[in-house]
Amino acid sequence: DIVLTQSPATLSVTPGESVSLSCRASQGISTSIHWYQQKSNESPRLLIKFASQSISGIPSRFSGSGSGTDFTLSINRVESEDFSVYYCQQSYSLPLTFGSGTKLEIK
Amino acid sequence: EVQLQESGPGLVKPSQSLSLTCSVTGYSITSNYWGWIRKFPGNKMEWMGYISYSGSTSYNPSLKSRISITRDTSKNQFFLQLNSVTTEDTATYYCARFGSYMDYWGQGVMVTVSS
Repeated sequence: DIVLTQSPATLSVTPGESVSLSCRASQGISTSIHWYQQKSNESPRLLIKFASQSISGIPSRFSGSGSGTDFTLSINRVESEDFSVYYCQQSYSLPLTFGSGTKLEIK
Repeated sequence: EVQLQESGPGLVKPSQSLSLTCSVTGYSITSNYWGWIRKFPGNKMEWMGYISYSGSTSYNPSLKSRISITRDTSKNQFFLQLNSVTTEDTATYYCARFGSYMDYWGQGVMVTVSS
């Protein structure tokens, strides 16, 4: 199975700051990585597909980059509604796997 | 708009079977792939498996001997059965529409395995 390692586990920031969340794959997966946001008591929401492709309805402050084994989700000027948990997921090979998540919290 | 809704018991006894239903509106399950993901206490997410537009299935090998995903196209529903559950199967279960990624999710149902 492909293991996805997300870092940091928790990121404490002030609203208005810009942040980068990391997802590293245990082997090369091209751009087969997708990012989700999950707020408390809600289902996950797709933010970015195939590493960098935007999703309709998602604010433009969210962007993704990377290929191979190293991927980044960037949030430009974090807003209060962004404080939640972020997951990466790979679709390069079955079984589909998820990272352990990064919790974005208010400093 | 595509909407998914899970239903099923919130409490299952150890060694019994867990059965959940996902009702889909706004899109036919004879297109795309449809499946199940669960989130354990502590936030770990696990893909369980999916059923395709044609009815073929794929399961996580970690569950292969216990899991079955089926469907009723006349009702636009698909189902999860997980046999011989233990307390380690306590989780929130989500159904979702799959491609390479999950773009539509149900709201989730929390299932506790306890005697």
